[in-house]
Amino acid sequence: DTGVSQDPRHKITKRGQNVTFRCDPISEHNRLYWYRQTLGQGPEFLTYFQNEAQLEKSRLLSDRFSAERPKGSFSTLEIQRTEQGDSAMYLCASSLVGYRGQETQYFGPGTRLLVL
Amino acid sequence: AQSVTQPDIHITVSEGASLELRCNYSYGATPYLFWYVQSPGQGLQLLLKYFSGDTLVQGIKGFEAEFKRSQSSFNLRKPSVHWSDAAEYFCAVAGAMSTLTFGKGTMLLVSP
Repeated sequence: DTGVSQDPRHKITKRGQNVTFRCDPISEHNRLYWYRQTLGQGPEFLTYFQNEAQLEKSRLLSDRFSAERPKGSFSTLEIQRTEQGDSAMYLCASSLVGYRGQETQYFGPGTRLLVL
Repeated sequence: AQSVTQPDIHITVSEGASLELRCNYSYGATPYLFWYVQSPGQGLQLLLKYFSGDTLVQGIKGFEAEFKRSQSSFNLRKPSVHWSDAAEYFCAVAGAMSTLTFGKGTMLLVSP
């Protein structure tokens, strides 16, 4: 079973450092999403790609955040100059857009980031 | 913009009892609706989804949900809860841009 995978699962960093997360979607899925989940909250949308094109970015995605999906396969999410407020679970999801735009997002296990 | 309200932060149910988790959404058009479950420290697992058609949808693990347009609700039900169902449950709506908007979740505790 090749579901969505994320790496690393956990990351502890010091404030001001840069971090990069990777997401490998389900093969043949053309859309890939990033969400952030803080304690006691539901996931919040950050950005998404259709193939290699980044189609939408949330206002939550400050200029310290950047995401890429080269060649429409895996994706990376980089946070520069991390702040304690960036501590959260970062979730990746992928989907295959179907009839009438219907799609189901399947989530990976997430990367838990702690900024000290 | 769409929104989701899950009125219950925590619910405790005895094992073997029935369960209903409430979800109300706000969206101008016909919504696509989802329920996901999350175990501690894990990602989200899809339980069920509604796109169109029959308003009563069946999912995995014995869960079902009913879409009621007049009440803007999509409540999740299970006739008999098992201890392994203890987790956090999220209702979500997909808007025009396909991104999901989630509620804040309901934590289900199962007592023996």
